[in-house]
Amino acid sequence: AQKVTQAQTEISVVEKEDVTLDCVYETRDTTYYLFWYKQPPSGELVFLIRRNSFDEQNEISGRYSWNFQKSTSSFNFTITASQVVDSAVYFCALSDYNQGGKLIFGQGTELSVKP
Amino acid sequence: DAGVTQSPTHLIKTRGQHVTLRCSPISGHKSVSWYQQVLGQGPQFIFQYYEKEERGRGNFPDRFSARQFPNYSSELNVNALLLGDSALYLCASSPGRFPPSGGYTFGSGTRLTVV
Repeated sequence: AQKVTQAQTEISVVEKEDVTLDCVYETRDTTYYLFWYKQPPSGELVFLIRRNSFDEQNEISGRYSWNFQKSTSSFNFTITASQVVDSAVYFCALSDYNQGGKLIFGQGTELSVKP
Repeated sequence: DAGVTQSPTHLIKTRGQHVTLRCSPISGHKSVSWYQQVLGQGPQFIFQYYEKEERGRGNFPDRFSARQFPNYSSELNVNALLLGDSALYLCASSPGRFPPSGGYTFGSGTRLTVV
């Protein structure tokens, strides 16, 4: 069975702090994709990153970085020097190749960045 | 280019009624997926349509149905509405059936309230 767990329901930090959002996934497939999406109060899901199961390289995009470790089935997301505009709900999601376009989402982590 | 367009943005219905939600994908995208997001939870996969055929179905009752038209737009129909159907319904589009490197593009959603 496929499952995504985001154990942190809510995180609150002060601006300029670094923050890491955890994501643990379960799947039996060897080919799969992992995603992070941001959902601001407007409701629209904003794509942040896609990673496939064969690429364990960490990725950095500006203040955002992602750490993918197959050995622990984790795909964690770090925001460096957080800003108030980073406040949103963040979702980790899994898509198995054999399931086509079906995304399995975690419960989400609500990040609040205070000035 | 226009993004994913969903209509209506908000809707209030009475228990037992029927509702139709609409989605227009990004031009050139042939796949549309539907998700239900109950308040405080991650989105749940309902359907994927690709090239006008159903390619995936989530764990939802038969009251939920969908179709895709020759222009790749899609409708989600829900019959015999229940209070528990109150949610944000999200539509996602992509060029093909499988996860694109740029992720799925989501619309802003339709907020359905059943009273």
